[in-house]
Amino acid sequence: GAVVSQHPSRVICKSGTSVKIECRSLDFQATTMFWYRQFPKQSLMLMATSNEGSKATYEQGVEKDKFLINHASLTLSTLTVTSAHPEDSSFYICSAPRTEVTNEQFFGPGTRLTVL
Amino acid sequence: RKEVEQDPGPFNVPEGATVAFNCTYSNSASQSFFWYRQDCRKEPKLLMSVYSSGNEDGRFTAQLNRASQYISLLIRDSKLSDSATYLCVVNMWMIYNQGGKLIFGQGTELSVKP
Repeated sequence: GAVVSQHPSRVICKSGTSVKIECRSLDFQATTMFWYRQFPKQSLMLMATSNEGSKATYEQGVEKDKFLINHASLTLSTLTVTSAHPEDSSFYICSAPRTEVTNEQFFGPGTRLTVL
Repeated sequence: RKEVEQDPGPFNVPEGATVAFNCTYSNSASQSFFWYRQDCRKEPKLLMSVYSSGNEDGRFTAQLNRASQYISLLIRDSKLSDSATYLCVVNMWMIYNQGGKLIFGQGTELSVKP
C-alpha cells in the first residue's frame, strides 16, 4: 500500500531554534499534502495545505511566517517551525491523498516536537 | 459550534461488550465520512468509510444519516485490542476542492478491560 514517511520522528530543541520536518510520499506522487498538529488529549487540527509548485494555504489562526511550508517536489513537503517556543511542542502529522480523485489519505507516522 | 463533534468518552467496557460511538457534523454539504482509529502516540489509521446505505466490516458497523447529519460506529464483541481513540472524520473534498481536506472530531477514547 501507499506509504508516507516523516523525518525526524522526534525532536527536542531549545527555545528559539528552527526545526524542519520532512514529509515524503514513498510510492506515489502527491501534488497536495496536509499538515496537522495534535496537542495532548486533543484531536488533529489542520494547520495548512501544502501545494506543489505554489504557496501553501493556511487555516485561520495559523501564522504563515512561523510555520513555513515548502512543497518542493511531487513527493516532498517540508514544514519549518521557526523560532520554536515551548507552546509549539506538539505532535505534527502530515498526510497525502494518493491521487486527487480519491478520498483515501495516507498519514505519516508523525513528528513529536518538544521545545525546552 | 465545532464542525465535527463526538461523544466525549472515555468508554470503559468489558471484553465482549457492544459499544456505540456517535458523531454529528455541522456542514450539510459534507460529502465523505470516515472513522479512524488512533493508538497512543501514533498516527491515525483508517478504520472504515461510512456510506449512506450503512456498511459493515466484521465486528464493525458504520451508519450515516444525512438528514440528521449524524454518523455512528458500532463495535460488537469488543476485544482488548480495540482499545484506542476513535476519530470521526469528515472530508471537505467537494466543498473546498482541495483534494481531501479532513476535519477531525475530538475523538472518543475506548478502553476494553478483561
